[in-house]
Amino acid sequence: GAGVSQSPRYKVAKRGQDVALRCDPISGHVSLFWYQQALGQGPEFLTYFQNEAQLDKSGLPSDRFFAERPEGSVSTLKIQRTQQEDSAVYLCASSLASGPRTNQPQHFGDGTRLSIL
Amino acid sequence: TQLLEQSPQFLSIQEGENLTVYCNSSSVFSSLQWYRQEPGEGPVLLVTVVTGGEVKKLKRLTFQFGDARKDSSLHITAAQPGDTGLYLCAGRTGSYQLTFGKGTKLSVIP
Repeated sequence: GAGVSQSPRYKVAKRGQDVALRCDPISGHVSLFWYQQALGQGPEFLTYFQNEAQLDKSGLPSDRFFAERPEGSVSTLKIQRTQQEDSAVYLCASSLASGPRTNQPQHFGDGTRLSIL
Repeated sequence: TQLLEQSPQFLSIQEGENLTVYCNSSSVFSSLQWYRQEPGEGPVLLVTVVTGGEVKKLKRLTFQFGDARKDSSLHITAAQPGDTGLYLCAGRTGSYQLTFGKGTKLSVIP
């Protein structure tokens, strides 16, 4: 497709379960970002990839959160031992930018709404 | 952590009215972006402003970047129901990372 695709669109899990969220960026986009958006809030940065390299993971809330992009394309955000406070919309964005200090736009997917019961 | 304050948080107006929403920070940004987000969808970029004092127009939307590059405003003329949504500003401090405000939720009543 032409845009960023995320799956699943909705995920319900019980507290303590592990979940995996997938992001298919726009083809050819070097940079990939994950954000967490709580209800009534703006997106908050989680992590950044340039190709397959995870250059910044400073926004990951805890060591239960793990992201990978092994072939520099599709990315997976994994949350282990989920907690209720993990409930949020997880947004993925990609851009053509290959480095910092650029104003390349970030193209967002429609997100995965995660609910932890 | 840079903080972006957006105001008002909620705004409900009648179709045809004008409105302005604000994005303020104590930090200087190398650029600032405005997005609109509709329920169940991701944010969609409206504009990027880079130069202090810059004004950009997009049809009925006018965006202004403050001279000191710490604040920005979005003015909508003759609002329409299709303008309804969450308006987010996001600042870039020179790196790739965007810092978002909490957004202004706009409702335009027919």
